[in-house]
Amino acid sequence: GNSVTQMEGPVTLSEEAFLTINCTYTATGYPSLFWYVQYPGEGLQLLLKATKADDKGSNKGFEATYRKETTSFHLEKGSVQVSDSAVYFCALSEISAGANSKLTFGKGITLSVRP
Amino acid sequence: NAGVTQTPKFRVLKTGQSMTLLCAQDMNHEYMYWYRQDPGMGLRLIHYSVGEGTTAKGEVPDGYNVSRLKKQNFLLGLESAAPSQTSVYFCASSIRSTEAFFGQGTRLTVV
Repeated sequence: GNSVTQMEGPVTLSEEAFLTINCTYTATGYPSLFWYVQYPGEGLQLLLKATKADDKGSNKGFEATYRKETTSFHLEKGSVQVSDSAVYFCALSEISAGANSKLTFGKGITLSVRP
Repeated sequence: NAGVTQTPKFRVLKTGQSMTLLCAQDMNHEYMYWYRQDPGMGLRLIHYSVGEGTTAKGEVPDGYNVSRLKKQNFLLGLESAAPSQTSVYFCASSIRSTEAFFGQGTRLTVV
């Protein structure tokens, strides 16, 4: 079945540091890939997405490129802010043989950014 | 512009009690999902629905039932609550393999 593996956390960075959060996936077909963010006490919100190989998703200074050859979708940001402190989830969605589309999530990683 | 609305937001149950969590979406989405979120476990899919009148089991369906009588509503039921069902529950909706929209969550404690 499909699966998503994220790097272990938590991650603590100083403001303006460079961020990389690794995500790799296993899928039988051609999934869409997503990064979701969850701020404290809230539900998940879509941060960015990519629907085919070599696509780059970007939003709020975050970027991730769909790499089919390495089955990866790593999240990066050049300069993090305190307001980026949140839990980040990598996810994939693939239409299965039964034409059902389910989101499969990684375990999430907590990012804390200190001033 | 409500999106996905979950009720209630908080609930405390005694072991053996039953309850229903309601999820409502106003985006005319076909797909709806119920997840639970536990520390260190990420999000785990409980049940999902690909259209009105349909439901399917996810990764952790035991102890839960669901119904999708109307396209906009997806109900999650606990027939006999257990402490292991203490969790934060999220509902989401989507159009097939596009991004999902999440509710704010329901924090359930079973004592």
